[in-house]
Amino acid sequence: GAVVSQHPSWVICKSGTSVKIECRSLDFQATTMFWYRQFPKKSLMLMATSNEGSKATYEQGVEKDKFLINHASLTLSTLTVTSAHPEDSSFYICSAARGPDGYTFGSGTRLTVV
Amino acid sequence: RKEVEQDPGPFNVPEGATVAFNCTYSNSASQSFFWYRQDCRKEPKLLMSVYSSGNEDGRFTAQLNRASQYISLLIRDSKLSDSATYLCVVNGGGSQGNLIFGKGTKLSVKP
Repeated sequence: GAVVSQHPSWVICKSGTSVKIECRSLDFQATTMFWYRQFPKKSLMLMATSNEGSKATYEQGVEKDKFLINHASLTLSTLTVTSAHPEDSSFYICSAARGPDGYTFGSGTRLTVV
Repeated sequence: RKEVEQDPGPFNVPEGATVAFNCTYSNSASQSFFWYRQDCRKEPKLLMSVYSSGNEDGRFTAQLNRASQYISLLIRDSKLSDSATYLCVVNGGGSQGNLIFGKGTKLSVKP
């Protein structure tokens, strides 16, 4: 079945530093990937839609200059949290679409900013 | 009105019980509906898609009522391993639209 590999699975970083999270589709090509964020006891919220070869589409309230998304190939999308702050601590999950019913999630990245 | 609404629970049930979760969605143009299961600190995993005709997978039955914009999940003969958060998920639109998640309903099955 479709596999999406996401890493790192967890990361602790200092305030002000940047963190890059990778999301790879291992056995299929993903023209579209989605990045979600989940705060404790909250639902998954879409941050942005990543399209291969073009600029990402950000949801309202998500700063594009802070959350840099690059989808340079059909199998890799990256999310970089720039100048991270403690309020950015969250669970970040990517998802790749293989058609209307074929969503596969990465295993998630737990980011803690100290 | 929130896009996807669920009762957050928790639902605490004994093993063997039958439990039902409900969900409503606001976008009448939504075409795809799912139930995902999420264990603590893990990524969501697809439990089942929900079809207009209703569908069953073992102990799990999903129903969709488009007129009422309502989705349900029934779990029969619940097991300890069913303890998790169940997410009602709706496709946000388009052929590869984003997924819109409910906050989830927490289920705890006790021995």
